[in-house]
Amino acid sequence: GENVEQHPSTLSVQEGDSAVIKCTYSDSASNYFPWYKQELGKRPQLIIDIRSNVGEKKDQRIAVTLNKTAKHFSLHITETQPEDSAVYFCAASNSGAQKLVFGQGTRLTINP
Amino acid sequence: GAVVSQHPSWVICKSGTSVKIECRSLDFQATTMFWYRQFPKQSLMLMATSNEGSKATYEQGVEKDKFLINHASLTLSTLTVTSAHPEDSSFYICSAKAGDEIKNIQYFGAGTRLSVL
Repeated sequence: GENVEQHPSTLSVQEGDSAVIKCTYSDSASNYFPWYKQELGKRPQLIIDIRSNVGEKKDQRIAVTLNKTAKHFSLHITETQPEDSAVYFCAASNSGAQKLVFGQGTRLTINP
Repeated sequence: GAVVSQHPSWVICKSGTSVKIECRSLDFQATTMFWYRQFPKQSLMLMATSNEGSKATYEQGVEKDKFLINHASLTLSTLTVTSAHPEDSSFYICSAKAGDEIKNIQYFGAGTRLSVL
């Protein structure tokens, strides 16, 4: 089955700097890759996603890149702000399996 | 985005009792819902996939007789933790699937923190 590895497990950056979180997946059939943000004690919220027919997607300060050949995808947050502090999870799925397989999570801390 | 309601948000029970958790999709129909367990500072561990009108599909290692799942309507799935024990104490989160066949968008409930004494 699918296996998703996420790095780093913790990340601390200065406010205004960029943050990058990387994930790799094992199943070449995976074709959908969402990113979720979970603040302490709250529900995971979808922040951006990408399909396998696209190499990059951007939404304001957030962007996701996908390299199908290497089977890895990354989340990029630019001009970080204190409210970006949270745990971020990547995930992968294929249309046949329905379920999402999550990475281990990255605890992002933005230092003022 | 779509709204998923989960109740209760917090429950304390005695060892040996059963606890039912409800997950509702409020503004959309969800033929598929998912139940996860999350330990402190860890990732979301899928327990089972709940399909409306059929039996749930459990992940390896999850006891189906202990974690009963019912998905009787397009907007409601329930998880019952039977004969709960302290080791069942955890954060349980449901999600409901929306989107098209390829985009497996899942919207999450707020979670239920279960404490078994």
